[in-house]
Amino acid sequence: NAGVTQTPKFRILKIGQSMTLQCTQDMNHNYMYWYRQDPGMGLKLIYYSVGAGITDKGEVPNGYNVSRSTTEDFPLRLELAAPSQTSVYFCASSWTPQETQYFGPGTRLLVL
Amino acid sequence: AQSVTQLDSHVSVSEGTPVLLRCNYSSSYSPSLFWYVQHPNKGLQLLLKYTSAATLVKGINGFEAEFKKSETSFHLTKPSAHMSDAAEYFCVVSDRGDYKLSFGAGTTVTVRA
Repeated sequence: NAGVTQTPKFRILKIGQSMTLQCTQDMNHNYMYWYRQDPGMGLKLIYYSVGAGITDKGEVPNGYNVSRSTTEDFPLRLELAAPSQTSVYFCASSWTPQETQYFGPGTRLLVL
Repeated sequence: AQSVTQLDSHVSVSEGTPVLLRCNYSSSYSPSLFWYVQHPNKGLQLLLKYTSAATLVKGINGFEAEFKKSETSFHLTKPSAHMSDAAEYFCVVSDRGDYKLSFGAGTTVTVRA
């Protein structure tokens, strides 16, 4: 049972490039989340999903897109990378929002 | 709307002494409250959670937290700090019926030998 896995662990992007951050969970959770963590700022919700085919914006969605075609996968897409998107990105999943969220190990992204 | 304020950005304690991390929350409905811990370069791990059962909640590694509705607080304590407790701690709130969590800014705990 791997829990929540994320790839890649680290990536350097040039301004304007695009990439997809992968997230997979094997716990059959309906709820999945993408957060970004900036130093001293806690975690900010980017997008979330309440089930396959259903996604919605969080606090800081600009510059990102998501899709949820299966229960297991919740990829995050950056279309035109900007330096402001330099951050650590965490994916999480849970049975319900009031239950424990299980976090992946994170993806460290540097945009230069 | 829900929100969380962690009153201390940094707490430094000596090994073997008590730890207190303070958290106040704002919630429109009956909240669920959580404390998560993040060790350096790691993901977040649940320490404990309150979901309207007992107001004193016990978690892993000797931590506990008390839900005080009248004070809108959910402070985290541990009687005796260990070197392995050095980490970042996040207080988190979720309103019932809401899909989202709100995270505090975090408290960095340093443990001195």
